[in-house]
Amino acid sequence: DAKTTQPNSMESNEEEPVHLPCNHSTISGTDYIHWYRQLPSQGPEYVIHGLTSNVNNRMASLAIAEDRKSSTLILHRATLRDAAVYYCIPRPYSGAGSYQLTFGKGTKLSVIP
Amino acid sequence: DAGVTQSPTHLIKTRGQQVTLRCSPKSGHDTVSWYQQALGQGPQFIFQYYEEEERQRGNFPDRFSGHQFPNYSSELNVNALLLGDSALYLCASSLLRGRTSTEAFFGQGTRLTVV
Repeated sequence: DAKTTQPNSMESNEEEPVHLPCNHSTISGTDYIHWYRQLPSQGPEYVIHGLTSNVNNRMASLAIAEDRKSSTLILHRATLRDAAVYYCIPRPYSGAGSYQLTFGKGTKLSVIP
Repeated sequence: DAGVTQSPTHLIKTRGQQVTLRCSPKSGHDTVSWYQQALGQGPQFIFQYYEEEERQRGNFPDRFSGHQFPNYSSELNVNALLLGDSALYLCASSLLRGRTSTEAFFGQGTRLTVV
């Protein structure tokens, strides 16, 4: 499994953009980069995933470095509801390696009103 | 859609006892995975069930076993409970499309305390 490195914690002011970095220098060429987040007292929830191109959805944007060794999850306007632990997870597209999600410790994001 | 539902939400057991946790997947999903999350850590994969069979297993002892029923719901059983089994147990469901799975949907978990 590819190892990931994320900051232990980050802070953001409400309504400002947040950039959450992830280093995954040992990622395989066929691994997608998935992001999940876990709000307090809840199970993780899917945020976004991508392979090479930058991706956008209603929750966030994902910027992937050209060499794929790092990526950044972008929350365009942080709200109090975005306070959570964010996990970056490389995951194969298919096959046995795709069956499980391998979580690290993630980044705890605090949002200041 | 109720999403993934787990029961019970909280449970206290004594060392040496056995416990069964239950999970109903999101409507339309056919694959169920179980994760253990210790305090301050990320979830750790226990195993995954598909078509009523264990398809993959993480690094957990045989005391951890499971079952998937024809309606895709699942149970996690833990025998001979240890204090170290105290954790949040999470169930996740997904849909297998060809050789890949859709994103996982997680339940809110069962908080197990072993005393």
